[in-house]
Formats: sequence, C-alpha cells, structure tokens
Amino acid sequence: DADVTQTPRNRITKTGKRIMLECSQTKGHDRMYWYRQDPGLGLRLIYYSFDVKDINKGEISDGYSVSRQAQAKFSLSLESAIPNQTALYFCATSDRHRGFSYNEQFFGPGTRLTVL
Amino acid sequence: SQQGEEDPQALSIQEGENATMNCSYKTSINNLQWYRQNSGRGLVHLILIRSNEREKHSGRLRVTLDTSKKSSSLLITASRAADTASYFCASQNRDDKIIFGKGTRLHILP
Repeated sequence: DADVTQTPRNRITKTGKRIMLECSQTKGHDRMYWYRQDPGLGLRLIYYSFDVKDINKGEISDGYSVSRQAQAKFSLSLESAIPNQTALYFCATSDRHRGFSYNEQFFGPGTRLTVL
Repeated sequence: SQQGEEDPQALSIQEGENATMNCSYKTSINNLQWYRQNSGRGLVHLILIRSNEREKHSGRLRVTLDTSKKSSSLLITASRAADTASYFCASQNRDDKIIFGKGTRLHILP
C-alpha cells in the first residue's frame, strides 16, 4: 500500500463549487504539505502543517483552506473553485528531526483538478 | 517568489552521455534537495546535501553545493532512457520551509 494517498485522483468541477481534496499518510510523519503544480511553474506551496495544532500559509494560500483532522490526515478545500485553480495538486509529508534539519519529503500521487 | 531556479529548463542528450543540471537559490539554506518527477506523477526524493557539505554521491548521481555562489549542480552519469523525467531542486531554509524550483525536463535520446 502507498504511504501517502490522495483522493480523488481526478476531479472535474464547475466554477463556484466547493471542492475538498484529501490526503492520508501511514508514515507516521508530523509534517504535511499541500502544493500545486502548473506547467512551467514548478511546485508552489499552498499550506503546510508541522503538527495537528499547527497550520501555516504557504506561498499561494488565497482561495484555499486546510484542515488537519489527525496526524495522518490533511485536507485541502477550495471554497469556491475558479478556472485558474485548474492544476495538479500534491500532498507531501516529512519527518521532524531535532538539531540539523533533514526533511526529505514523500509525495502522494497527485490529484488532477479541472475547474470549468 | 520561488527560491530555487533550475538551468537549463530542458535538456536532451544521447543515452550514455552525462547530464548536468544547475540550481540557484537566494537565501541561506540548511540543505538542498533534488527530486525527480516522471510525467504526471509525484516527486521522488533523490539526494540531499547539507549546507556544510560540498559534494555528495549516490549511485550515478553526483551533487555539488557552492554556498558562496548559492548554487548546486546535479550530474547524472551514463544516462539511461529511464532517466527521462523532470528534475527539481528544493532548498530548505532556516525556517524549515522547502521551496521548489521550476524544474529541468531531461530527455534521453536512444
């Protein structure tokens, strides 16, 4: 079984609809992240969470919200989807190390979202 | 803005040749990481180099880091068709955030 799973894998929705993307992990990691990927722009950080009570905005949080329901679950919501939110969305996790940072990230398979 | 910037944006080489990709970043880092992404899939971690290291090897991969120039390079030796992918550098800054570059698309020609 995959360590980091995302649901759904593909979603087509209409402008104005509320959408939730879910991420679950079995790696036991404290840290979870949501990114979006657009052609030619690489990955951009939307939100990240270093533990269940810690939520932080990333580079492009406008139009998005998140919920860390448990250590293993981190969901991303688009309150009112718009076409320029069409993108590939990735969830990632990393472990926490004391002292010198060493935070390799483990990625889910991605969710391809299309907003019409 | 993105902290890591890869160069070149795209690279095509013959199978068996070496591929070199470069990455520049803007602020002080704890470490720099390289990831590979096959088309439409999640990223896979390749190698991490700490800010106090200058060179690191892993199989056919060689990574260098020059903190004075705020740059890193990834060398893939004896390239194979399976190396065709996009490669991203990711710099982890002192706040523990990891910021990805825009990637280099590598195409290995048969």
